[in-house]
Amino acid sequence: AQRVTQPEKLLSVFKGAPVELKCNYSYSGSPELFWYVQYSRQRLQLLLRHISRESIKGFTADLNKGETSFHLKKPFAQEEDSAMYYCALRGATNKLIFGTGTLLAVQP
Amino acid sequence: EAQVTQNPRYLITVTGKKLTVTCSQNMNHEYMSWYRQDPGLGLRQIYYSMNVEVTDKGDVPEGYKVSRKEKRNFPLILESPSPNQTSLYFCASSLDSGGYNEQFFGPGTRLTVL
Repeated sequence: AQRVTQPEKLLSVFKGAPVELKCNYSYSGSPELFWYVQYSRQRLQLLLRHISRESIKGFTADLNKGETSFHLKKPFAQEEDSAMYYCALRGATNKLIFGTGTLLAVQP
Repeated sequence: EAQVTQNPRYLITVTGKKLTVTCSQNMNHEYMSWYRQDPGLGLRQIYYSMNVEVTDKGDVPEGYKVSRKEKRNFPLILESPSPNQTSLYFCASSLDSGGYNEQFFGPGTRLTVL
């Protein structure tokens, strides 16, 4: 079965602290993974995709096929990072299979 | 500005009253899709369209219809809405269904069915 699991509904950290948003997936083929972010009152937008191996707004995510994980990390959280984060797996027919999301709250 | 638009943004209706949520994109994208977002369940795909006149069911299509008569528009139709269709709906589009094409999302439509 194709599935994305985000075990934390809420992650609260202080400004400047490291952040790790967990994502595990289940997929039989070679996975295509994404992180989407939804800031308050804004639409869902792509943050990064694993194929690009890029860093966006200080966030990185490494695909670990052995652990079937794609955790999102940032060494120093900023208040403007507070948002809902969704991990997504691209399934057949270009469908995005989303996790349930993690709300990141960065405290001042 | 390249974007996906949805209308209305908010809608309160009653059980059984047919409604349509419009979705339009100005990026000449071939692929369009509808998702619903519910607490604790994330986003789930309702219907998708690979191109004009080509539509297919996603994971939760019951109670919904779609059409794709033009490339830019992909309306979501609820013929007889029920309270369990109260949700936040997102339309998305991408260049096509291949590769790592980014899916662009609309602003969402919050529907309440009484």
